[in-house]
Amino acid sequence: NAGVMQNPRHLVRRRGQEARLRCSPMKGHSHVYWYRQLPEEGLKFMVYLQKENIIDESGMPKERFSAEFPKEGPSILRIQQVVRGDSAAYFCASSPPFLKLGEAGERNEQFFGPGTRLTVL
Amino acid sequence: EDKVVQSPLSLVVHEGDTVTLNCSYEVTNFRSLLWYKQEKKAPTFLFMLTSSGIEKKSGRLSSILDKKELFSILNITATQTGDSAVYLCAVEYNAGNNRKLIWGLGTSLAVNP
Repeated sequence: NAGVMQNPRHLVRRRGQEARLRCSPMKGHSHVYWYRQLPEEGLKFMVYLQKENIIDESGMPKERFSAEFPKEGPSILRIQQVVRGDSAAYFCASSPPFLKLGEAGERNEQFFGPGTRLTVL
Repeated sequence: EDKVVQSPLSLVVHEGDTVTLNCSYEVTNFRSLLWYKQEKKAPTFLFMLTSSGIEKKSGRLSSILDKKELFSILNITATQTGDSAVYLCAVEYNAGNNRKLIWGLGTSLAVNP
């Protein structure tokens, strides 16, 4: 069972270009989370999606950022008109459908991908 | 406001020392507290804690949760240089029909030989 896959691993963009980050969750996982980690900072939640639905986007900037998780294919985090401040590591995590606490040995954690390091020149 | 606070922010120790990392939280509808280890890559899962007073152990690492005082500690005994990493604490809570996860900023641990 392949883990969470993200591509590209490294992405370089010039200011004003678009960045597309892809995330394929683990097999059987229907929940995807995107996080951003700026240098010297912790993980910051951006958005939580299920198939074809955005559940919580409270951590995502209102402008230039969008996310989707279509019925088929990977989840996409899209950043339009990138600026230098967008340079960061973007991590995707996936989890299975909700488990009630205590079910199935408590394996309710999120599984992380290797991340995409975005550099904006 | 919901929050997760980790302390200390950074720590430098010598091999063989024992360290205790702290995570305190304030959330409503608490569900679980998770510890992750992050080296120069994605975080890897360490522990999930849901009940007070039950210690989870994995080798030299152990963790316990206090839901009354709203904190958890992560202990590492006989530290090794390979333990050098950022240790992240996250708290999961219910928000309506969904669940949310709040992350602390992490504790950066450096173990010197």
